[in-house]
Amino acid sequence: AQSVTQLGSHVSVSEGALVLLRCNYSSSVPPYLFWYVQYPNQGLQLLLKYTSAATLVKGINGFEAEFKKSETSFHLTKPSAHMSDAAEYFCAVTSPFGANNLFFGTGTRLTVIP
Amino acid sequence: DTAVSQTPKYLVTQMGNDKSIKCEQNLGHDTMYWYKQDSKKFLKIMFSYNNKELIINETVPNRFSPKSPDKAHLNLHINSLELGDSAVYFCASSQGAGAATDTQYFGPGTRLTVL
Repeated sequence: AQSVTQLGSHVSVSEGALVLLRCNYSSSVPPYLFWYVQYPNQGLQLLLKYTSAATLVKGINGFEAEFKKSETSFHLTKPSAHMSDAAEYFCAVTSPFGANNLFFGTGTRLTVIP
Repeated sequence: DTAVSQTPKYLVTQMGNDKSIKCEQNLGHDTMYWYKQDSKKFLKIMFSYNNKELIINETVPNRFSPKSPDKAHLNLHINSLELGDSAVYFCASSQGAGAATDTQYFGPGTRLTVL
């Protein structure tokens, strides 16, 4: 079975500061990992995904994430936060051997302080 | 142009009623999904359909039934609504047969409130 844990339900950063949102996965097989963003009152939008190619994945809006097997982590980063980054971020996992059944973490709300 | 659309956006109803939520995608995708997001923002998949066939059916009550009249639509019908059904329901779609690497595109959600 696959699952993800997001540490920190709320993260606040100052505008221009580094954004770091944590995600650790649990999987009996090498997983596929995703980061989605949900802006207020909107659906989810894919930021980036890891599908066993390069371990450093670059996504939209300047975000990137690095797959670290030794740490079972897939943390999301952005060098400089922008006010428009304020949203809910979800990490999700699927298995390469199953259907496209996304298992989501509980989400991290990012607040950007001007 | 809206890629994945849902109607209605808000739905308020009484316990025991039957209601439907509609979903349409204009992306030409082959697989569609329904997710439930509870009050704590936890997202869980409910169903997915590929070419009119159910390929995932998680342990949801049989009061919930997905209906797909064609590849572009996956409606969610709920019988005998209960208080615990209050949530935001998201429709999504993906290209292909639902492989694990396929990106899912989400609709804006339908907020269901059961009184």
